[in-house]
Amino acid sequence: DAEITQSPRHKITETGRQVTLACHQTWNHNNMFWYRQDLGHGLRLIHYSYGVQDTNKGEVSDGYSVSRSNTEDLPLTLESAASSQTSVYFCASSPGTGPISTDTQYFGPGTRLTVL
Amino acid sequence: DAKTTQPPSMDCAEGRAANLPCNHSTISGNEYVYWYRQIHSQGPQYIIHGLKNNETNEMASLIITEDRKSSTLILPHATLRDTAVYYCSSTYSGGYQKVTFGIGTKLQVIP
Repeated sequence: DAEITQSPRHKITETGRQVTLACHQTWNHNNMFWYRQDLGHGLRLIHYSYGVQDTNKGEVSDGYSVSRSNTEDLPLTLESAASSQTSVYFCASSPGTGPISTDTQYFGPGTRLTVL
Repeated sequence: DAKTTQPPSMDCAEGRAANLPCNHSTISGNEYVYWYRQIHSQGPQYIIHGLKNNETNEMASLIITEDRKSSTLILPHATLRDTAVYYCSSTYSGGYQKVTFGIGTKLQVIP
C-alpha cells in the first residue's frame, strides 16, 4: 500500500549539530510539506514543495532548509540545531497539480526531535 | 489566509453527537474549510472538507454557515476512539495551497 514514512522516529542531538529528517512518500504526490508541532502552537508550516526542484518557505522557516530532488522525498535539514527546535515534526503530502490545489493532506507518523 | 478559532476542549458522552465549532470569520470566498484530527501522538488524519455546502461522509458531517464565517463538525455517535484533538483549517484554492492550523479542540469522549 502507498504510504508516507518518516525517519528517524526519535532523535536526540546536541546544539550546533546538523540534523536531517527524512520524509518519503510512495503516492507519487506532487505536494509535500513539513510542519512542527509544539504545545500551545498547534501545527506550524516550516517549508513546502509543489514538485521537483521547487521549495518554498513557510511561517517558521528560519534555521531549516529543504531540497526536492525527486518526487518521493523531501528531507528537512536543521543547519545548526538549537534547543528551540526541540519539537515533533510532521511531514505531509497531497496529490496536487502544482501550486493550485485544495487537496487533502496525508500526514506521516512524526519525528520527535530533542536538542540538548 | 483565514485564521481559525476553536474552543480548547470539549467533553461528549459516548453515543451522543459531538458538535465541534470553528470560527473562521476572515475566510475568503475561495478558501476551503478542512477538518483533521490527531489521536494521541499520531499524525493528523483527514476527516472532511467543504467550501459552501454542507458535507457528509462516513466519518462526520460538516455544517458551514451561509456567511461562511463559522462551521461545525458533527460526529453523530461519538465513541471512545473519537477522543482526539480536532483541527479546523483553511486552504487557499486560488493561488497556492497553504493550510493553516489553529491549536485545535481536545475532545474527550466520556463512557
